[in-house]
Amino acid sequence: EIVLTQSPGTLSLSPGERATLSCRASQRVSSSYLAWYQQKPGQAPRLLIYGTSSRATGIPDRFSGSGSGTDFTLTISRLEPEDFAVYYCQQYGRSPTFGGGTKVEIK
Amino acid sequence: EVRLLESGGGLVQPGGSLRLSCAASGFTFNTYAMSWVRQAPGKGLEWVSGISVTGDNTYFADSVKDRFTISRDHSDNTLYLQMNSLRAEDTAVYYCARLQFSGYNYGSPFDYWGQGTLVTVSS
Repeated sequence: EIVLTQSPGTLSLSPGERATLSCRASQRVSSSYLAWYQQKPGQAPRLLIYGTSSRATGIPDRFSGSGSGTDFTLTISRLEPEDFAVYYCQQYGRSPTFGGGTKVEIK
Repeated sequence: EVRLLESGGGLVQPGGSLRLSCAASGFTFNTYAMSWVRQAPGKGLEWVSGISVTGDNTYFADSVKDRFTISRDHSDNTLYLQMNSLRAEDTAVYYCARLQFSGYNYGSPFDYWGQGTLVTVSS
């Protein structure tokens, strides 16, 4: 099983600031198989990024993804009020796994 | 509009069984693989099970293997999760999710999710 470790656990930032979230895999993940999701309280997760760097339909361009091998990053260039949420990375091979999540909270 | 609507959750005693349903609409159900993902209260996401486009292939997390069964009915566009020998650690909100790429049995992210159904395993 591929274990994904996200850091930091919580990120305290102000609107307008840049957020950088990390996802590290226990073994190499194909860049084609890495996604990021956003989840707000009481809601289902929403797909943001797939294939490491492709934005899902309707996702604003302030969200971007990068990385390869075992290290991947989600960047939110300028935080909007609606961006404060929990973010999960996922590898979606034959047995998908999720990271433990990073909470982005208002400072 | 793609819609996924889960049902069947509730309170069940340890060792009991429950069957979850996910009614799909707004897309050609028989061309997409599907999955179940769960989230324990206050915890992260855990993939539980997946099923291929045709239903011929099924996949399970080790934590539920040999206890859970996944199936699909193309006549009424419904996904199922049969859960047996339930344990306290199975308590969670269960989401059904669609794999993004039509025709892919795996290797695709989850682009649409239902709102989830809560399963509570407790005596």
